[in-house]
Amino acid sequence: RKEVEQDPGPFNVPEGATVAFNCTYSNSASQSFFWYRQDCRKEPKLLMSVYSSGNEDGRFTAQLNRASQYISLLIRDSKLSDSATYLCVVNGGGATNKLIFGTGTLLAVQP
Amino acid sequence: ETGVTQTPRHLVMGMTNKKSLKCEQHLGHNAMYWYKQSAKKPLELMFVYNFKEQTENNSVPSRFSPECPNSSHLFLHLHTLQPEDSALYLCASSQELNSGRALSNEQFFGPGTRLTVL
Repeated sequence: RKEVEQDPGPFNVPEGATVAFNCTYSNSASQSFFWYRQDCRKEPKLLMSVYSSGNEDGRFTAQLNRASQYISLLIRDSKLSDSATYLCVVNGGGATNKLIFGTGTLLAVQP
Repeated sequence: ETGVTQTPRHLVMGMTNKKSLKCEQHLGHNAMYWYKQSAKKPLELMFVYNFKEQTENNSVPSRFSPECPNSSHLFLHLHTLQPEDSALYLCASSQELNSGRALSNEQFFGPGTRLTVL
């Protein structure tokens, strides 16, 4: 089983659509969770951290379910500029700052 | 513009060459990382340096040799590479607690060096 598993997509959606990405992780000791965004041929950048209580930043909402070891990202009112690869990231668990990255989910927002 | 810079941005080298990748962070962080990103694969952690000490070597072949002379600079020395080593090499930094807590903070990435081994 992969340490962090995501649907690679691509997700092709029209502008204005709502799209949801899911991610599962295997290490129950993981304590930190993130969504990163990576544009084509660019470096990954933090989109948002994910907290147990769930958190929202504008059109983006992240949820964490520790019992199911499941993380989600919801994007509302998709914009063309949201087109990118979205990386699910968890820390390696234990006393470590090692991050484990998923392969990413490709989102293409169509006009 | 991130606070992490990498040079060179592109590198083409033969299998017998020796080259070095350089990373510099201007964020005052205490941890630095090397990652490899190949097509269709997730980012692979290669090395971790905390407070200039190497704390993680993710089973990386010895043809990759990291060096961290101070908390702001990180190098990756390359020697006798193989064509399958062609990839994007990303450097990152973060500010970590030194308490042994199982938490990780946001990592800031540099733009990467796109390496081609002929």
